[in-house]
Order: sequence, then structure tokens, then C-alpha cells
Amino acid sequence: AQTVTQSQPEMSVQEAETVTLSCTYDTSESDYYLFWYKQPPSRQMILVIRQEAYKQQNATENRFSVNFQKAAKSFSLKISDSQLGDAAMYFCAYRSDSSGTYKYIFGTGTRLKVLA
Amino acid sequence: NAGVMQNPRHLVRRRGQEARLRCSPMKGHSHVYWYRQLPEEGLKFMVYLQKENIIDESGMPKERFSAEFPKEGPSILRIQQVVRGDSAAYFCASSPKAGELFFGEGSRLTVL
Repeated sequence: AQTVTQSQPEMSVQEAETVTLSCTYDTSESDYYLFWYKQPPSRQMILVIRQEAYKQQNATENRFSVNFQKAAKSFSLKISDSQLGDAAMYFCAYRSDSSGTYKYIFGTGTRLKVLA
Repeated sequence: NAGVMQNPRHLVRRRGQEARLRCSPMKGHSHVYWYRQLPEEGLKFMVYLQKENIIDESGMPKERFSAEFPKEGPSILRIQQVVRGDSAAYFCASSPKAGELFFGEGSRLTVL
């Protein structure tokens, strides 16, 4: 069975600095997607970035980028120029496309604090 | 295009009562997922449905919990004879066949 591990329960970053959140996953499949979701205090789940496993190029969305290491099964999120509004829980998620069903597995989350 | 709509946003029940949570997916989305989130924890998969079919219910407790996604109308997550341990935020998400999940704002269930 697939698993997603986020080993950092909590991280802090100074405003305007850069922070990297870690995520590793375990799978025997070759076709899958990886996602980072953000959950602010409002509890709304917001998609931050997605990565298709078949793409070697790392996904980027403005200040957010990923470091996708397929062989190592690692999918870290880098937030540049951190802003106070980035403070939230961040969840890494995996979705398999091999079985014809699309089940999403979430990690336990990393709470990011942004210090002014 | 309206997002995923969940209601009620907040629901209070006494032990032994029934809770019904509703979810209307985004227009054009045929896949619906339910997740449970306990305080300070991550999202736990419960069930994955397509129209009139339960695809995967491996995360749903065998007793008291059921889910449906009828041909017409919203998806319903039903919890019978609620207990205090059922208190949580229940999130619904939908997706097109191949795409990311779009989440509703969640329904917070409190069992007294």
C-alpha cells in the first residue's frame, strides 16, 4: 500500500526567508501524481502545486517550487520570500493512476509558522 | 463555476442521534471523496464514490457509517448512533476523472 510521510510536524521561517518542507512516499507504481495542499486557520484546503511523476521538470508556481526526486521518492516543497499569509498546515498528497481508481493519500501535515 | 458545496457547516448532535452531511461536487466532476480530520491531525480517507457507485470504502468504519452518491442530488455521508469519537471535521472533495482534488469547506460535527 502507498504511504506518505511528512517527518516535520512543525517548521518556522522568518518573513522573507526561504523554507523547505519535506515529504517522502512509498509506492511500487510508476504513474502517479503528487500534490501539496495548504490548510490555513479557516480550514479550507487549497491546492498549492502539483507534479506528474512522468515529468522530470520540477513544478513551480510563483514563490512555490518542488524538488521531485523520483528515485528517492522524495517530494519537498520550497517556499521563497515567505509571507505571513503562508502560515498554515501543509499536506503532501499522493494519487495513483495505475489502478483505474484515483485514491488520494495524505501525509500527517507540517505546521508552518512565519515569524515577523 | 461554484466550488464544492458542503452543508451543514456545523452540526451538533447528541450521542445516539444520526448525522447527515451533504456534498455537492463541482459541476462536471464525477468523483467524490470523503475525508475525516480530527483536531491537529491530517486527513484520513474514508470513501471514494462515483455516480451510483462506491469505488473504495476501505477507510470507512464498518458499522454506523454509510455513504452514497445518487444519480441525482448530492453525495451523503450518514453516521448513525453518533458517539463522541465521531466529533471531527468531515471534508468532501471532488475531481474530474484525471485531476487534482477540489475541497469543500468542511462540515464540523460535534457530538455532545
